[in-house]
Amino acid sequence: EVQLVESGGGLVQPGGSLRLSCAASGFTVSSNYMSWVRQAPGKGLEWVSVIYSGGSTYYADSVKGRFTISRHNSKNTLYLQMNSLRAEDTAVYYCARFADYGNTADAFDIWGQGTMVTVSS
Amino acid sequence: SSELTQDPAVSVALGQTVRITCQGDSLRSYYASWYQQKPGQAPVLVIYGKNNRPSGIPDRFSGSSSGNTASLTITGAQAEDEADYYCNSRDSSGNHLGGVFGGGTKLTVL
Repeated sequence: EVQLVESGGGLVQPGGSLRLSCAASGFTVSSNYMSWVRQAPGKGLEWVSVIYSGGSTYYADSVKGRFTISRHNSKNTLYLQMNSLRAEDTAVYYCARFADYGNTADAFDIWGQGTMVTVSS
Repeated sequence: SSELTQDPAVSVALGQTVRITCQGDSLRSYYASWYQQKPGQAPVLVIYGKNNRPSGIPDRFSGSSSGNTASLTITGAQAEDEADYYCNSRDSSGNHLGGVFGGGTKLTVL
């Protein structure tokens, strides 16, 4: 079964760090584009970061320089290292596979269940 | 970066047809994808590309696009379709895959 399972969320103080994990099954993380998307309480979806199959990484301006996306190929796992956390980073963080169908069509076709990150003192 | 604009809320009578729209400059170059999200659940892809449905998505969901506007149409809305719907497209530069979401539309089925 194709599945993504996130872990690592929790309560952290402002300025602190947290590492989220996303374990994949049924497909290979390193062969796909993988993203993190977050959703603040009561708000909409916000794209956070992507790692290409070739290893290139991109970030939303709101997290650039503070968050790092990476993957561990043998563990088939995606990560998001979050440093210098702020109250506005409080959100449910989803990992998602990004499928490129070609012809300018693409989509997040598989989503994890999400993990909650709360930044508060 | 570009923006995608959605109406915050739309309602539809049970069994009727409703269209949810998404506007943005990037839609002139790239297709939108559409996601359904019910309370407390992860988003689910319902439409991608020109008008493609993933396996398991009912055929009452369809997509279309014209100019800078993408639309999600539900023909014969059911009670279980009540949810938040989000559109997504690439940033207009095309460099950041999956980079832009609309603000979401809350669909109420009356």
